[in-house]
Amino acid sequence: LAKTTQPISMDSYEGQEVNITCSHNNIATNDYITWYQQFPSQGPRFIIQGYKTKVTNEVASLFIPADRKSSTLSLPRVSLSDTAVYYCLVGDKGTYKYIFGTGTRLKVLA
Amino acid sequence: DAGVIQSPRHEVTEMGQEVTLRCKPISGHDYLFWYRQTMMRGLELLIYFNNNVPIDDSGMPEDRFSAKMPNASFSTLKIQPSEPRDSAVYFCASSDRENTEAFFGQGTRLTVV
Repeated sequence: LAKTTQPISMDSYEGQEVNITCSHNNIATNDYITWYQQFPSQGPRFIIQGYKTKVTNEVASLFIPADRKSSTLSLPRVSLSDTAVYYCLVGDKGTYKYIFGTGTRLKVLA
Repeated sequence: DAGVIQSPRHEVTEMGQEVTLRCKPISGHDYLFWYRQTMMRGLELLIYFNNNVPIDDSGMPEDRFSAKMPNASFSTLKIQPSEPRDSAVYFCASSDRENTEAFFGQGTRLTVV
């Protein structure tokens, strides 16, 4: 399974766009990129998943360059409630094996 | 659906005792995962099942840990005997083959004293 590297922590202010980048240099052809969010005392929650280019849903966008060796989770106009840990996962969709890295602790300030 | 249900939410036990954690996955999901989360090691995948069959238990730390899934709606994670270093939050998650999004339960916070 490809290893992922993310910043340990980030600070932002309410209303700003936040971009969290994840490196996965050894990503395999069959691997997908998935992001999860975890609040204190809760289990992780799925945010978005993609394979290449750009994916957008109601809460975030995921940008994946052509070489797929990195990906960027973009959170538009964050609020205090977006303070959480964000995990980038890379794995074969067919194996259904979800390996979490260390995550990025995002703190949104007023 | 009520989501993935775990019980108990909190468990405090003495070293050497047997501990059983329980999980009810979302109805219709055929994959079930057990994770352990600690400050030091983060979120670790312990074992996962497909159609009640264990597929990969390479994350189970020791023989003291065992997991079963007797039917599609119930799974247990047992630690016997428990040790203080087993103290952690244990999460259960489930997903289906059509959608790789994994849904997590609220977790069981285990404290072994």
